[in-house]
Amino acid sequence: EPEVTQTPSHQVTQMGQEVILRCVPISNHLYFYWYRQILGQKVEFLVSFYNNEISEKSEIFDDQFSVERPDGSNFTLKIRSTKLEDSAMYFCASRTGGGTEAFFGQGTRLTVV
Amino acid sequence: QQQVKQSPQSLIVQKGGISIINCAYENTAFDYFPWYQQFPGKGPALLIAIRPDVSEKKEGRFTISFNKSAKQFSLHIMDSQPGDSATYFCAAASGGSYIPTFGRGTSLIVHP
Repeated sequence: EPEVTQTPSHQVTQMGQEVILRCVPISNHLYFYWYRQILGQKVEFLVSFYNNEISEKSEIFDDQFSVERPDGSNFTLKIRSTKLEDSAMYFCASRTGGGTEAFFGQGTRLTVV
Repeated sequence: QQQVKQSPQSLIVQKGGISIINCAYENTAFDYFPWYQQFPGKGPALLIAIRPDVSEKKEGRFTISFNKSAKQFSLHIMDSQPGDSATYFCAAASGGSYIPTFGRGTSLIVHP
């Protein structure tokens, strides 16, 4: 069964460092998303991406964040200068053009120290 | 994005019992209401979803009840099993974007 895969599963970084979280969406999907989940809290929408551009973003997704689909298969989230409060589980998701269901990856746990 | 309110925050049920989780939404533009199940260390996975043109949808032991006028919907898990122990999120999305807005989640524990 096709699935969304994310790497790494866990990343530890120092405050102020840049991190790139990687995702490989399901191959025929057209819409891509990043969500985050701070420990024990709800899943929060960050950004959606379609046709090589951001289609929607939340207020969380400020200038420190950027997304890219560099090669037609990977979908990345970059955090330019990490803060302690960026520590969370980051989920990538994707869906088909005509579908309603967003398929989530297993997440990357980001720990900023 | 508009808020989706979910309760209770945690729920403990005996095996064979009924688990009920409730959600309410504000944005009348929402027209797609999925429920996600999340096990520890995993991403949310779609469990069941409903559109507002029906008042109930059942898939196996899982039923969504939907009250459009009250802007409320709920998940019922019949004959709850220990394997159902997980965090459940209700969500809502509009047909234009299908970007789910999640509730805060309910941690369900089903005792054997």
